[in-house]
Amino acid sequence: DGGITQSPKYLFRKEGQNVTLSCEQNLNHDAMYWYRQDPGQGLRLIYYSQIVNDFQKGDIAEGYSVSREKKESFPLTVTSAQKNPTAFYLCASTLAVSYNEQFFGPGTRLTVL
Amino acid sequence: DAKTTQPNSMESNEEEPVHLPCNHSTISGTDYIHWYRQLPSQGPEYVIHGLTSNVNNRMASLAIAEDRKSSTLILHRATLRDAAVYYCILRDGGYYGGSQGNLIFGKGTKLSVKP
Repeated sequence: DGGITQSPKYLFRKEGQNVTLSCEQNLNHDAMYWYRQDPGQGLRLIYYSQIVNDFQKGDIAEGYSVSREKKESFPLTVTSAQKNPTAFYLCASTLAVSYNEQFFGPGTRLTVL
Repeated sequence: DAKTTQPNSMESNEEEPVHLPCNHSTISGTDYIHWYRQLPSQGPEYVIHGLTSNVNNRMASLAIAEDRKSSTLILHRATLRDAAVYYCILRDGGYYGGSQGNLIFGKGTKLSVKP
């Protein structure tokens, strides 16, 4: 089955530690996205990538970093510079930036203690 | 960015139709109207999108006002599985690069379905 996988579903880290969230897709999509969602709020865009080896900052990129070395993978690192990292993180992909439908993964809930 | 306005919450009875409104008075000529929904603790799911004409698919119908300043997502027979947050989003379809094509999520409408 084609789709987007995010692992792990729940992640706990101590304050000050960097943590990397995984996002993999086997849909052969060019564009991939990372969003953050806080309780009762909509999604906010962190980073997006239109193609391999290229990525752009979204609205709230500070304290985060990404890489896009392979078409199917777009890992997100939450660094110690992110002031409030506890949130629900969602990865999405689409055939191309111009394509209308984004497909979302199941999300990773990160809790920083 | 073009913004949308939706009610915070709505209630429906099971097996009855649901009309979810969205106002977008500042919509531009190249903005597509998208609807996504998010079930609790899951990622959003695409529902439907349209530009000018009404649209139907297996999940829902989208009715777009003639002046395009508002739209309505119609669920023809609500089920308990339709209880979710529904997001109405404008996406610029006129520029195929940069951030203009990205989705901008608001808080959406939380739909409750009563048995």
